[in-house]
Amino acid sequence: DGGITQSPKYLFRKEGQNVTLSCEQNLNHDAMYWYRQDPGQGLRLIYYSQIVNDFQKGDIAEGYSVSREKKESFPLTVTSAQKNPTAFYLCASRRTASGVNEQFFGPGTRLTVL
Amino acid sequence: AQKVTQAQTEISVVEKEDVTLDCVYETRDTTYYLFWYKQPPSGELVFLIRRNSFDEQNEISGRYSWNFQKSTSSFNFTITASQVVDSAVYFCALSGRRRDDKIIFGKGTRLHILP
Repeated sequence: DGGITQSPKYLFRKEGQNVTLSCEQNLNHDAMYWYRQDPGQGLRLIYYSQIVNDFQKGDIAEGYSVSREKKESFPLTVTSAQKNPTAFYLCASRRTASGVNEQFFGPGTRLTVL
Repeated sequence: AQKVTQAQTEISVVEKEDVTLDCVYETRDTTYYLFWYKQPPSGELVFLIRRNSFDEQNEISGRYSWNFQKSTSSFNFTITASQVVDSAVYFCALSGRRRDDKIIFGKGTRLHILP
């Protein structure tokens, strides 16, 4: 089945540790996105990538890093520089080759810093 | 700048009642796209609808209907005969027509359907 997978679903991290969240899609979508969602809040864009080997900062990129070495994969690293990393992280992808289309989302990863 | 406003933070209705979720947007683009997403308790956002700005026809899909009014920059979502399974957070979103335009999301409306 085509779709977006994120792993793990729940992640616990000690303060000061880096952690990488996985996002894989088999939809052949060009663009991929990472969002952060805090309780009762909307979505805030962290990073996005329109094509392989290229990515841009979103609204809240500080303390995060990404890579886009393959079309299918867009991992997000939450570094120790992120002061308040506990949140729900959503990955999305979008087909852009034929105009504007909706984003499809993965199931999310809930990160808790202990 | 583009902006999406969902003024209703939280709504509670009794099952079988109709409910309308409001969405007002701002954009300088003459052509744009509007979206609605549903986020159930599981967390994943589920795409519901995409509407092009040049198509002002209202749309109905089962118990769901959408009212797009360009004159008032609104794209409201109505659930008819609500069910408990409709309980979720609903997001309205806006995008320009360029391929590299980002999708701008509203803050969402949390809908509670009471049995």
